[in-house]
Amino acid sequence: SQQGEEDPQALSIQEGENATMNCSYKTSINNLQWYRQNSGRGLVHLILIRSNEREKHSGRLRVTLDTSKKSSSLLITASRAADTASYFCATMDTGRRALTFGSGTRLQVQP
Amino acid sequence: KAGVTQTPRYLIKTRGQQVTLSCSPISGHRSVSWYQQTPGQGLQFLFEYFSETQRNKGNFPGRFSGRQFSNSRSEMNVSTLELGDSALYLCASSLPGERANVLTFGAGSRLTVL
Repeated sequence: SQQGEEDPQALSIQEGENATMNCSYKTSINNLQWYRQNSGRGLVHLILIRSNEREKHSGRLRVTLDTSKKSSSLLITASRAADTASYFCATMDTGRRALTFGSGTRLQVQP
Repeated sequence: KAGVTQTPRYLIKTRGQQVTLSCSPISGHRSVSWYQQTPGQGLQFLFEYFSETQRNKGNFPGRFSGRQFSNSRSEMNVSTLELGDSALYLCASSLPGERANVLTFGAGSRLTVL
């Protein structure tokens, strides 16, 4: 079963705008990661944030983590058409060696 | 550095048949995980292998099995195929140690069961 939900399920924006995706999870975690998937292909790791971190940046990506609310957000700034993809959050539970993925957000960036 | 290679990329089978999918991890990666992705259930963990041993298993029936060889290559097998087994099967590998949580995925094997 999936760890949690992501919202929105789908998001359409114009190039240059920012995109924000949210993820909620259910259990205690060691870390939370975000992955991107281009249409029916494999997933690509974007960023990892540990449970003792609150915010992390990588290029145009900014991730926040609130363990008290069991939620995370991914912000993509100055979006590009090439950012069009599905984005998934994934958590590594504290007792398990497997990533549990959220339901994903489909991002469409219009040129 | 070659990425994770999965073969075949596409295959079509009929109900009741069995299928074997192959995964070659990145050189040096000893952990291999398998995931099933469907529109209805999303991404679900199948199993994880390390040094030829299954360390973790998801909630799938016994028709789904896997193994890992001494060179870290892995195969998964699905027997007595059902229509619901149609999915994208993703293999991922990772380094040991601190980076063990970060997975590098292959492009997937898309299975269609008719």
